[in-house]
Amino acid sequence: DAGVTQSPTHLIKTRGQQVTLRCSPKSGHDTVSWYQQALGQGPQFIFQYYEEEERQRGNFPDRFSGHQFPNYSSELNVNALLLGDSALYLCASSTTQDRYYGYTFGSGTRLTVV
Amino acid sequence: TQLLEQSPQFLSIQEGENLTVYCNSSSVFSSLQWYRQEPGEGPVLLVTVVTGGEVKKLKRLTFQFGDARKDSSLHITAAQPGDTGLYLCAGAINSARQLTFGSGTQLTVLP
Repeated sequence: DAGVTQSPTHLIKTRGQQVTLRCSPKSGHDTVSWYQQALGQGPQFIFQYYEEEERQRGNFPDRFSGHQFPNYSSELNVNALLLGDSALYLCASSTTQDRYYGYTFGSGTRLTVV
Repeated sequence: TQLLEQSPQFLSIQEGENLTVYCNSSSVFSSLQWYRQEPGEGPVLLVTVVTGGEVKKLKRLTFQFGDARKDSSLHITAAQPGDTGLYLCAGAINSARQLTFGSGTQLTVLP
């Protein structure tokens, strides 16, 4: 049973460029959440998708946008990249059948902006 | 302002020692989870606690949820080098499905 799959694993972009990160949730999960994690810090919530709609959003600018597809997979898009966007981007999936929202995380995408 | 405060931020101990990590907040959580993360990997769920005063044990790890559901602790007995990692607490408020994470405790267990 595959867990959460994220791609790519590493990415280097230039300031001002745009990037798209991808996530396939664990089989049976219908909700995808995206987090940004700076080195040695806890993950910061970006947004959450369920039924192809953004349901909740953290304190991130509109440069961060996302999408969820009918097969529950998801994309995170970041426009006009800044040096400060360099971080590990984590995708977590869960199911609405789990009352306590146990998350399964992917290994993340390490984004470096130069 | 961090919603969940973890302490200590860093902890380096010798193999065989005991340790406790704390997770505190002024908010009440409907549930609280503990994760462990190793370098280059995503966090892995260790436990979920939902009832005030609840205690759960996972081998040498003991998790406790505060009576008021505002704080939690993780106690490790006889730590081993394999316990090394970033320990994260995460809470859900009310019916929100969003998990808010603490800043993490970086544990290093020396052989």
